[in-house]
Amino acid sequence: KNEVEQSPQNLTAQEGEFITINCSYSVGISALHWLQQHPGGGIVSLFMLSSGKKKHGRLIATINIQEKHSSLHITASHPRDSAVYICAAPNTGNQFYFGTGTSLTVIP
Amino acid sequence: DAGVIQSPRHEVTEMGQEVTLRCKPISGHDYLFWYRQTMMRGLELLIYFNNNVPIDDSGMPEDRFSAKMPNASFSTLKIQPSEPRDSAVYFCASSLATGNYGYTFGSGTRLTVV
Repeated sequence: KNEVEQSPQNLTAQEGEFITINCSYSVGISALHWLQQHPGGGIVSLFMLSSGKKKHGRLIATINIQEKHSSLHITASHPRDSAVYICAAPNTGNQFYFGTGTSLTVIP
Repeated sequence: DAGVIQSPRHEVTEMGQEVTLRCKPISGHDYLFWYRQTMMRGLELLIYFNNNVPIDDSGMPEDRFSAKMPNASFSTLKIQPSEPRDSAVYFCASSLATGNYGYTFGSGTRLTVV
């Protein structure tokens, strides 16, 4: 069993749709990270959160520490949101566990 | 700040050759991480440094891999000798601190060993 599980693996949405990507983890963590990898390969750190909710533009990330679950939401999705979204959980020993990623395609 | 700078962007080398990947972290960041990304295994942490000192290298796959950080502004990841299964994208990232701080990734080095 992977320490970090993401779902779905692939997601296709119409422009404007509300998107949710889920991440569950089984390890003890200090914070959870959401990463975005563009089709060109570059990786951007979107969020790092240890509790509650964070918002940046159309992106919202939530985490429930008790349930060991986090979600990444995209409101009013746009084709430029097409990317791979990766959930990453560093444990207290700073060892990173990565989800397998969710490949999102937003169709105009 | 120019962000985390990695070089080269692409590297093609023959099996058996030595490969050196370079990384310049963001000034003031205390932590530096090396990751490898492959289709089969996704993103993996190879090694990380804190204040130029290697803290955890348990992710380094074999003795053929070595990493150094001679000063706060430069790190190298070396593979000697390289093998085709080392073909991957290698990312460097830096952080002000671990856990509750965000990470900044470099653009990656795509390594192809033929």
